[in-house]
Amino acid sequence: GAGVSQSPRYKVAKRGQDVALRCDPISGHVSLFWYQQALGQGPEFLTYFQNEAQLDKSGLPSDRFFAERPEGSVSTLKIQRTQQEDSAVYLCASSLSGTSGSGGEQFFGPGTRLTVL
Amino acid sequence: AQSVTQPDIHITVSEGASLELRCNYSYGATPYLFWYVQSPGQGLQLLLKYFSGDTLVQGIKGFEAEFKRSQSSFNLRKPSVHWSDAAEYFCAVVFKAAGNKLTFGGGTRVLVKP
Repeated sequence: GAGVSQSPRYKVAKRGQDVALRCDPISGHVSLFWYQQALGQGPEFLTYFQNEAQLDKSGLPSDRFFAERPEGSVSTLKIQRTQQEDSAVYLCASSLSGTSGSGGEQFFGPGTRLTVL
Repeated sequence: AQSVTQPDIHITVSEGASLELRCNYSYGATPYLFWYVQSPGQGLQLLLKYFSGDTLVQGIKGFEAEFKRSQSSFNLRKPSVHWSDAAEYFCAVVFKAAGNKLTFGGGTRVLVKP
């Protein structure tokens, strides 16, 4: 079956532009996560959805970052007024489990590489 | 504070030699433990995971990992490395009290010499 897909795969933005990154999770997966991976580092958690509810947004670095999952399936991560420090790979993951603390396996998409000039 | 440490940034190993990647975590209880591999341009692929029970877990591609509670470690091993194992490896942890989000170590890049 299809895995997690993300689009676009690459995005170049000028500083100050707004960008929107899309994630299509595996069908039927309850949980959806966004991570940010800076060059040469491990991924860092941004936000988590259980169905359409955003249960944890503690990792969002500023109020310029906004995520939504209005119908409990596709999710969009939006970054307003992009800055150079936003340059990173943005990874989306989905998990069948919705139970907090269950540690259900997360399946990752290929990521979107964002470069802010 | 809860954290995950991979002490080795780079490891170079000869093809056919054994490989061990270290991972330590800081947490008051036993977390859920994972190892992921990331090849260039690829997403993260799960190699293996530990939730409970037998502390030696087997994964895909011939990898295994051992959980040692006394050392707060979850080291990854492979007896004989293939050139295709060259990649970046990430240890990741779910600290149960913090929900299901993964906390990753900084990664270890493995280079394989012919």
